[in-house]
Amino acid sequence: AQSVTQPDIHITVSEGASLELRCNYSYGATPYLFWYVQSPGQGLQLLLKYFSGDTLVQGIKGFEAEFKRSQSSFNLRKPSVHWSDAAEYFCAVDTDTGGFKTIFGAGTRLFVKA
Amino acid sequence: KAGVTQTPRYLIKTRGQQVTLSCSPISGHRSVSWYQQTPGQGLQFLFEYFSETQRNKGNFPGRFSGRQFSNSRSEMNVSTLELGDSALYLCASSSPIINEQFFGPGTRLTVL
Repeated sequence: AQSVTQPDIHITVSEGASLELRCNYSYGATPYLFWYVQSPGQGLQLLLKYFSGDTLVQGIKGFEAEFKRSQSSFNLRKPSVHWSDAAEYFCAVDTDTGGFKTIFGAGTRLFVKA
Repeated sequence: KAGVTQTPRYLIKTRGQQVTLSCSPISGHRSVSWYQQTPGQGLQFLFEYFSETQRNKGNFPGRFSGRQFSNSRSEMNVSTLELGDSALYLCASSSPIINEQFFGPGTRLTVL
């Protein structure tokens, strides 16, 4: 069965510091991979997605993620965190068999220190 | 272009009642998916509708049902509410061209 693991429940970084959020997935075929961000009381916003091709994908708000098939990972990175990045981040996987039935990780809550 | 809208935004019900939540997708989007978000179980996929047909289904009991209308608007119904149904219910719409979901702000359901 498909699954997504985000090992870190919460992470605290200082403003201006770099950020890496970890994500590991379990899926038999080539997955569709996503990172979403959710601010308190809000819906989900897509940061970036990977379907195929270049394994380093660029997203919005200065985020990027790298797909590593050998490690079944899709880690999210940002070189310099801003206070407005404080939110919950979700890694997700979906299939290519038609339509959506997205499986989400448990999420990582990001706190940003001034 | 207007985003995905969900109504109502907040709802309080008592155990045993039923509830209907509504989702209006982005204009031109024909796929609507529903997700339940709780602190304990996280984000879980309920079902997806495309062109008025349920295309994918998650692992939820039959008390959870949905439908989609010809204008792509979707409703989700939960019958015989239980305390554990308290959650944020998120709706997402998508176009097959872009293969990306756009989420609404959610409906916060509280069951007392």
